[in-house]
Amino acid sequence: GQNIDQPTEMTATEGAIVQINCTYQTSGFNGLFWYQQHAGEAPTFLSYNVLDGLEEKGRFSSFLSRSKGYSYLLLKELQMKDSASYLCAVRDTGGFKTIFGAGTRLFVKA
Amino acid sequence: KAGVTQTPRYLIKTRGQQVTLSCSPISGHRSVSWYQQTPGQGLQFLFEYFSETQRNKGNFPGRFSGRQFSNSRSEMNVSTLELGDSALYLCASSQPPQETQYFGPGTRLLVL
Repeated sequence: GQNIDQPTEMTATEGAIVQINCTYQTSGFNGLFWYQQHAGEAPTFLSYNVLDGLEEKGRFSSFLSRSKGYSYLLLKELQMKDSASYLCAVRDTGGFKTIFGAGTRLFVKA
Repeated sequence: KAGVTQTPRYLIKTRGQQVTLSCSPISGHRSVSWYQQTPGQGLQFLFEYFSETQRNKGNFPGRFSGRQFSNSRSEMNVSTLELGDSALYLCASSQPPQETQYFGPGTRLLVL
């Protein structure tokens, strides 16, 4: 089967660091994506990993381990505007589709 | 470059009616995917089109259909609407090989 798991909710403090984990089981793999979605808005692309390791982009970093079926999104220097849902998604090579996890709602408190 | 556009943005229909939603991808993108998003189910894959061909279809009943035109614009149709079809319908365009999904603003459908 195909499954993507991530925590439902997380809370963190402004200025802190938070790590959002994602585990996946898919029939094929052609890359893992992270998206940010604010309430009432469409998802926006944050990061892409296709090889093992860490990709850094400003305050956001994403890590991938293909052998473990595991990724995380690291957000540093949290700001109130980072309060949003974060979606982990996997591109399935064989099926020509992108599968999304249910998302992690992040609350950033002052 | 202009982003993905979707029309209409909001729609209210009654049970049994049908609806057609439209999506214009980013210029140059030939892949268009459709998703249904509800609070309980998250983002569910409906279909993916590439160069007018449906490459894949999700686990939705036959009432949900779609098509893509030669200019890559896409439409999806839902016939015999049910209350459970109330959702945000998102269209995304992408291009090989990475296929990063770039989303439109969505069409919010309410079925009464």
